[in-house]
Amino acid sequence: GENVEQHPSTLSVQEGDSAVIKCTYSDSASNYFPWYKQELGKGPQLIIDIRSNVGEKKDQRIAVTLNKTAKHFSLHITETQPEDSAVYFCAASIWNYGGSQGNLIFGKGTKLSVKP
Amino acid sequence: SAVISQKPSRDICQRGTSLTIQCQVDSQVTMMFWYRQQPGQSLTLIATANQGSEATYESGFVIDKFPISRPNLTFSTLTVSNMSPEDSSIYLCSVKGGAGANVLTFGAGSRLTVL
Repeated sequence: GENVEQHPSTLSVQEGDSAVIKCTYSDSASNYFPWYKQELGKGPQLIIDIRSNVGEKKDQRIAVTLNKTAKHFSLHITETQPEDSAVYFCAASIWNYGGSQGNLIFGKGTKLSVKP
Repeated sequence: SAVISQKPSRDICQRGTSLTIQCQVDSQVTMMFWYRQQPGQSLTLIATANQGSEATYESGFVIDKFPISRPNLTFSTLTVSNMSPEDSSIYLCSVKGGAGANVLTFGAGSRLTVL
């Protein structure tokens, strides 16, 4: 089955710097890669996702890149702010539009701390 | 997206006891999912709760330990039975997004500590 590895487990940056979190996956059939942000005391919330037909996707200060050949994908946060401090989870699954969906397999999470 | 309410938000339990977690969704959904988040670990799917049928459990999880109810399309419960300290975790209820989507919406979670 799918296995997702996530690094680093903790990351501390200064406000305004960039943060990068990396994940690798094992199942070449996986084609959907979301990122979730979990703030303290809350459930994880989707912040961005990417499908295997594109190599990069951006949403304001957040971007995700995907390398299908190497089976890894990364989350990039630019101009970090204290409110970006949270635990970030990557995940992978097989997604078939209009058909069955595979279960999301999550990485172990990265605790990001942004120091003002 | 759906709004999910979970109760209790946290509890401290004694070894050997059982606790039932409730999950209420503000819209009708076909499937509801229960996840476990152990300290420093990833989110692990326990089971999928379908209305009108038995829950589907993932490898490593059994119905005797984690019985699930799904009486209607907006509500589900997860019971953690005969608890031990290893069951100390956050338990999360979730539902999927719109048609064809694989986006999960999570509740805030129920943090259980077993002494």
